[in-house]
Amino acid sequence: QKEVEQDPGPLSVPEGAIVSLNCTYSNSAFQYFMWYRQYSRKGPELLMYTYSSGNKEDGRFTAQVDKSSKYISLFIRDSQPSDSATYLCAMSAPDDKIIFGKGTRLHILP
Amino acid sequence: EAGVTQFPSHSVIEKGQTVTLRCDPISGHDNLYWYRRVMGKEIKFLLHFVKESKQDESGMPNNRFLAERTGGTYSTLKVQPAELEDSGVYFCASSQQYQETQYFGPGTRLLVL
Repeated sequence: QKEVEQDPGPLSVPEGAIVSLNCTYSNSAFQYFMWYRQYSRKGPELLMYTYSSGNKEDGRFTAQVDKSSKYISLFIRDSQPSDSATYLCAMSAPDDKIIFGKGTRLHILP
Repeated sequence: EAGVTQFPSHSVIEKGQTVTLRCDPISGHDNLYWYRRVMGKEIKFLLHFVKESKQDESGMPNNRFLAERTGGTYSTLKVQPAELEDSGVYFCASSQQYQETQYFGPGTRLLVL
């Protein structure tokens, strides 16, 4: 079993819809949870960073962590064509390396 | 402020040749990381420098890979001799001391034929 599981998609949704992206993990030592966005031919860009269980909101983006279920989510409200990208979940234990998911390709249809 | 830069953006070499990748981190960032993404797989950690010292090199695939960060500024990653399975995108990232947020460069796309 991989440490981090993420559905690679692609996921296509109409503009304005709410997008839900998810990852599961197996390592209970993970305490830091991140979502990166990667446009084609670019490096990953940090979108959201959370330390504990619960929700964190930043504009149209909400990150949710459920440590009891080992499940994290990223919600995008009022999705825009410019949100079309690959979204990578990532996580780490304290003082340890980051483990990435494979990434989910998201297409927002105008 | 300039971001993390990587050179070259692309490299195509033949099996058995040597390639050197360069990463310039954000100025003042003590932490420098190398990652690799092989096609169809997730981004995987290769190693971590703190200034000029290797903090963690547990992700380096084998001894054909050599990373250096002389002077604690830019870093190079040399692959010698390159094999077909080394093809992929090599990312560099940097972060400030004691900060978890890593800033990624655009990557170097390496193709070994």
